[in-house]
Amino acid sequence: NAGVTQTPKFRVLKTGQSMTLLCAQDMNHEYMYWYRQDPGMGLRLIHYSVGEGTTAKGEVPDGYNVSRLKKQNFLLGLESAAPSQTSVYFCASRLLGGTYNEQFFGPGTRLTVL
Amino acid sequence: QQQVKQSPQSLIVQKGGISIINCAYENTAFDYFPWYQQFPGKGPALLIAIRPDVSEKKEGRFTISFNKSAKQFSLHIMDSQPGDSATYFCAASRSGSARQLTFGSGTQLTVLP
Repeated sequence: NAGVTQTPKFRVLKTGQSMTLLCAQDMNHEYMYWYRQDPGMGLRLIHYSVGEGTTAKGEVPDGYNVSRLKKQNFLLGLESAAPSQTSVYFCASRLLGGTYNEQFFGPGTRLTVL
Repeated sequence: QQQVKQSPQSLIVQKGGISIINCAYENTAFDYFPWYQQFPGKGPALLIAIRPDVSEKKEGRFTISFNKSAKQFSLHIMDSQPGDSATYFCAASRSGSARQLTFGSGTQLTVLP
């Protein structure tokens, strides 16, 4: 099992450009999440999904869109990148049910917006 | 708003010493409190977790102490080793909203050899 994988690992964008980050999991998890990690701020939830075809906003959703067309994939899109979106982005997944099920994290994507 | 406050921001400990990281939460609906460990260039990984119906949980050298009335919990690393050098995050979640995690700001631990 590969667990949670993220593509790409690194990316540099210019202000106003768009891009899509891909998250894939092979654990048949229903729940998937996108977080951003900034120095001194921990991880903050951007969007999440409770199943194929469903998405919901997290704590910091502005400037991002997501889609979950397949159960194993969760895409994070930036339509018009801004320097404030320079961050490390982590995807996570979790099995449905069970109060104490673990969230499994991917290795992250480091994004720089110039 | 920061619903989970973590301290200290950084911690330096000698090999064999005890590392202590503290967290405080505000939302009394939280009912699950995990600690995640993150090495440079990697994603966070679950280290240990506790439910509010117990006051302490121990796994090897790692112990969580939980004080429900004070809304505080802490991670203790006994006999700290250089391999423990990493960033540690406390977190909390509640039922609903897909069990999303609210993270503390992180503690960068350095264990000197």
